[in-house]
Amino acid sequence: GENVEQHPSTLSVQEGDSAVIKCTYSDSASNYFPWYKQELGKRPQLIIDIRSNVGEKKDQRIAVTLNKTAKHFSLHITETQPEDSAVYFCAASKTGGSYIPTFGRGTSLIVHP
Amino acid sequence: EAGVAQSPRYKIIEKRQSVAFWCNPISGHATLYWYQQILGQGPKLLIQFQNNGVVDDSQLPKDRFSAERLKGVDSTLKIQPAKLEDSAVYLCASSGRGGSSYNEQFFGPGTRLTVL
Repeated sequence: GENVEQHPSTLSVQEGDSAVIKCTYSDSASNYFPWYKQELGKRPQLIIDIRSNVGEKKDQRIAVTLNKTAKHFSLHITETQPEDSAVYFCAASKTGGSYIPTFGRGTSLIVHP
Repeated sequence: EAGVAQSPRYKIIEKRQSVAFWCNPISGHATLYWYQQILGQGPKLLIQFQNNGVVDDSQLPKDRFSAERLKGVDSTLKIQPAKLEDSAVYLCASSGRGGSSYNEQFFGPGTRLTVL
């Protein structure tokens, strides 16, 4: 089955800096990669996703990149703000049939004001 | 639209006791998922339903866990008997198109289970 590795487990940055979270996956058939943000005590919420037919996607301060050859994808947050502090999870899944994502272990992002 | 509802929000039981969790997905969502999220880890899928049928339950510990979605709407997840290692947050999620890809999953608030 799919195995998703996520690094780092903890990331501490100053407000205004950029943050990068990286994930690797094992199943070359995976072609959909969502990212979730989970604030303390709250539910995970989808913040951005990318499909295998594109290499990069941006949404304001958030961007995701995908390298299918190397089987890794990354989340980039620019101009970080204290409200970006949360746990971020990457996931990977295959399309065509049941959508069953495999999640990474999460990255705790702390943005210091 | 109303989100995914779960109850209870918190539950404390002793080991070997039984517990049940309830989930009401977003109206019209055919696909329903139960995840187990242990502290410090990502959600792990336990079972996926499409309408009232099971799509995947390969990671469900069937000797103690059971789940049903009899009418294709609400779902219950039961643990009997509970073990210490079952302490976790149990998340329910639903998505709009059953069995297809690119579906955004909407998560409920979760039930935090503590087994003493």
